[in-house]
Amino acid sequence: KQEVTQIPAALSVPEGENLVLNCSFTDSAIYNLQWFRQDPGKGLTSLLLIQSSQREQTSGRLNASLDKSSGRSTLYIAASQPGDSATYLCAASSFGNEKLTFGTGTRLTIIP
Amino acid sequence: EPEVTQTPSHQVTQMGQEVILRCVPISNHLYFYWYRQILGQKVEFLVSFYNNEISEKSEIFDDQFSVERPDGSNFTLKIRSTKLEDSAMYFCASQAGNSNQPQHFGDGTRLSIL
Repeated sequence: KQEVTQIPAALSVPEGENLVLNCSFTDSAIYNLQWFRQDPGKGLTSLLLIQSSQREQTSGRLNASLDKSSGRSTLYIAASQPGDSATYLCAASSFGNEKLTFGTGTRLTIIP
Repeated sequence: EPEVTQTPSHQVTQMGQEVILRCVPISNHLYFYWYRQILGQKVEFLVSFYNNEISEKSEIFDDQFSVERPDGSNFTLKIRSTKLEDSAMYFCASQAGNSNQPQHFGDGTRLSIL
């Protein structure tokens, strides 16, 4: 059974800094891993999806990596901005099973 | 950009009543999902739907729950006799015809059971 963990639960960073968010998963037979952003009271916005055959994906200031052997994924945010403040969730799917298993998220606050 | 839409945004219901949560997935998507998020907890999978039938359901998705795609566009979640513990944010998601594509989520319906 896949379990996903995100540490820390909360992170505060001054504006302009680069930062890394962590995601760990227990089942290395991962199919893909998806990163989401959730603003308070809102839905989930898909940021990046990494397939099991890939090691990283980039979109603008965001870069996500995947290391199946260590059961880890990271989301790197460059030159952080106050508008990046949100909760970031990672979610994994396993082979033969499209459902996503979510972590509890990291609540990110960018301090102006 | 196409998006998943959910209605209503907030539903307040008396315990024991039936509720129907509605979703319009992205056009041409083939896989559909319901998830829920109890306040302060993880987003949890409820059910997946493909080719007009349930492909997988979680332990949460008991006989009180049902899903339907009545007209080829709407995708509904029905809870037959609501309980206090059904209070949560319910998210609908859809995915294109390749499971290597991302799941796209709606803004959710906040269900409050009194």
